[in-house]
Amino acid sequence: KAGVTQTPRYLIKTRGQQVTLSCSPISGHRSVSWYQQTPGQGLQFLFEYFSETQRNKGNFPGRFSGRQFSNSRSEMNVSTLELGDSALYLCASSLGGGGQGYEQYFGPGTRLTVT
Amino acid sequence: GDSVTQMEGPVTLSEEAFLTINCTYTATGYPSLFWYVQYPGEGLQLLLKATKADDKGSNKGFEATYRKETTSFHLEKGSVQVSDSAVYFCALDRGGADGLTFGKGTHLIIQP
Repeated sequence: KAGVTQTPRYLIKTRGQQVTLSCSPISGHRSVSWYQQTPGQGLQFLFEYFSETQRNKGNFPGRFSGRQFSNSRSEMNVSTLELGDSALYLCASSLGGGGQGYEQYFGPGTRLTVT
Repeated sequence: GDSVTQMEGPVTLSEEAFLTINCTYTATGYPSLFWYVQYPGEGLQLLLKATKADDKGSNKGFEATYRKETTSFHLEKGSVQVSDSAVYFCALDRGGADGLTFGKGTHLIIQP
């Protein structure tokens, strides 16, 4: 099976712009989660989508949003970019949702740099 | 809230040495526990998991046992190789609004 894919792999944006990142989960996986990884804060949970519905959301401002399509592909959007949004954004897919012991499989990430 | 604590390192070992990376957690209930590994420039790879107390997860020579009494999930390997050099993350999943809760990661360096 193909793994989780994320596009683009690298992105450079300017403060104030918005950005959309894409994630294609493993075939058959219905849950997609997004995480932000920074040197200072480590790995932080952004949100989880299951069957096109946002099921869980981490402690991030409303500038961070996402959606999931009927084929389980997911996008996340960050509006009004700030310098602190520079990070590696990781997408993970799993068969089921959180708390049920399902393994989450991660993509290679999108490296976002905000200048 | 939930939290995971692990040594950050770097931890430097010689090839064929015994490896232990400590991980302790704070969570209510009975979370599932995971170890992930991240190689430079890549995403996270699931290394092993355990879903209930006394479960032992194992993969590629790595092992970890879910210890409820000490709230720990220490990672061990009997003989490390240079190719094991990476950052290792301990994580828990209790469900709810937090997704996976990760430790800060342990940078492991194996010298030939």
